[in-house]
Amino acid sequence: NAGVTQTPKFRILKIGQSMTLQCAQDMNHNYMYWYRQDPGMGLKLIYYSVGAGITDKGEVPNGYNVSRSTTEYFPLRLELAAPSQTSVYFCASSYLSVRNYGYTFGSGTRLTVV
Amino acid sequence: KNEVEQSPQNLTAQEGEFITINCSYSVGISALHWLQQHPGGGIVSLFMLSSGKKKHGRLIATINIQEKHSSLHITASHPRDSAVYICAVRLQGGSEKLVFGKGTKLTVNP
Repeated sequence: NAGVTQTPKFRILKIGQSMTLQCAQDMNHNYMYWYRQDPGMGLKLIYYSVGAGITDKGEVPNGYNVSRSTTEYFPLRLELAAPSQTSVYFCASSYLSVRNYGYTFGSGTRLTVV
Repeated sequence: KNEVEQSPQNLTAQEGEFITINCSYSVGISALHWLQQHPGGGIVSLFMLSSGKKKHGRLIATINIQEKHSSLHITASHPRDSAVYICAVRLQGGSEKLVFGKGTKLTVNP
């Protein structure tokens, strides 16, 4: 049981480049989330999805896009990378909703934009 | 002022000590989560609380809804408990948003 798998673990991007952070879960969880964690700050919600084909913005969506074509995958796309997007990104999933269950987190992607 | 405040920010203890980490919040919530972030960065969900108390092994989490306060206790602490402990609250009203505290960094020395 792999849980939530994120790739890559580390990436350095140049300003203006684009990339996709991959997230996959094998638990048939319907809810999936992308968070970013900046040094000394709490996690902030970027986007979330309540099921395949449905996505919604979180607190800090600017500069990002997501898609959820299947239950298993929830990729996060960065267009025109900026230094402000240097952060650690976590994908998470839960069954139904966090009102009933806890989260399962991926191991994170450390992104540096130079 | 942050909606979720944790104290202390940093905590150093000797192996075997009883640990308490506090979380206060200023908003209406439907649930509160305690998470553990390992030194390597991985995050594990420890507890989800909406009332009362939960226990898992040496970890105990309590919540007082009226006082808007939660505590995480670790009994007989061990160096492997060294991690950042994060409090997060689920806002009332069916929102998917979790508001996170900044975390408490715990170091347990042998």
